[in-house]
Amino acid sequence: EVQLVQSGAEVKKPGESLKISCKASGYIFSDYWIAWVRQVPGKGPEWVGNIYGGDSETRYSPSFQGLVTMSADKSINTAYLQWSSLKTSDTARYYCARRFTTQFHLDFWAQGTLVTVSS
Amino acid sequence: AIQMTQSPSSLSASVGDRVTISCRASRDIRDDLGWYKQKPGKAPELLIYGTSTLQSGVPSRFSGSGSDTDFTLTISSLQPEDFATYYCLQDYSYPPTFGGGTKVEIK
Repeated sequence: EVQLVQSGAEVKKPGESLKISCKASGYIFSDYWIAWVRQVPGKGPEWVGNIYGGDSETRYSPSFQGLVTMSADKSINTAYLQWSSLKTSDTARYYCARRFTTQFHLDFWAQGTLVTVSS
Repeated sequence: AIQMTQSPSSLSASVGDRVTISCRASRDIRDDLGWYKQKPGKAPELLIYGTSTLQSGVPSRFSGSGSDTDFTLTISSLQPEDFATYYCLQDYSYPPTFGGGTKVEIK
């Protein structure tokens, strides 16, 4: 059974760093891309970027390029999303999801990680 | 980025009703469109991709149609578990972009 499980909710202050994780199981991690999606409460989802499990190739949405960093460790089937200096505008729920091999649609999703940035 | 506009933003319907939701792309996206359903506090789930292909396990009361810039999600007979927010997503060009959502509420 394909499963994606994310790390727990985080409360941070502006300027702090953060790394959240997404652990995959039930499929060959190296064969698929993992996407990250942001959703501000009450708003529609936004595509952050995606990372390939096999070689950690990344592709960022222009809106998020330079603001976040994606990484992956295929030895433990885990993808990561990190910030070096959080802003209050980063407050949102972040989802990881497995991407189709040839399209960008997302067939399995994790439960999401709520990131709250407040002074 | 391609803009996706959904209409209506919300609707009220009863169990058994036929419901249609529209999604318009700011330019031609061929048939590279999917639909997702999201219940409060849960992750979105894929219903349809490639405009009309049902994802495995999705009930046949859901269907999708359209091409180029105009697309429709139809629920033929609304069930209690279908009350949720629905989003379209274009995957024609990068970055993929979601519509603003259509909330389906109980009348």
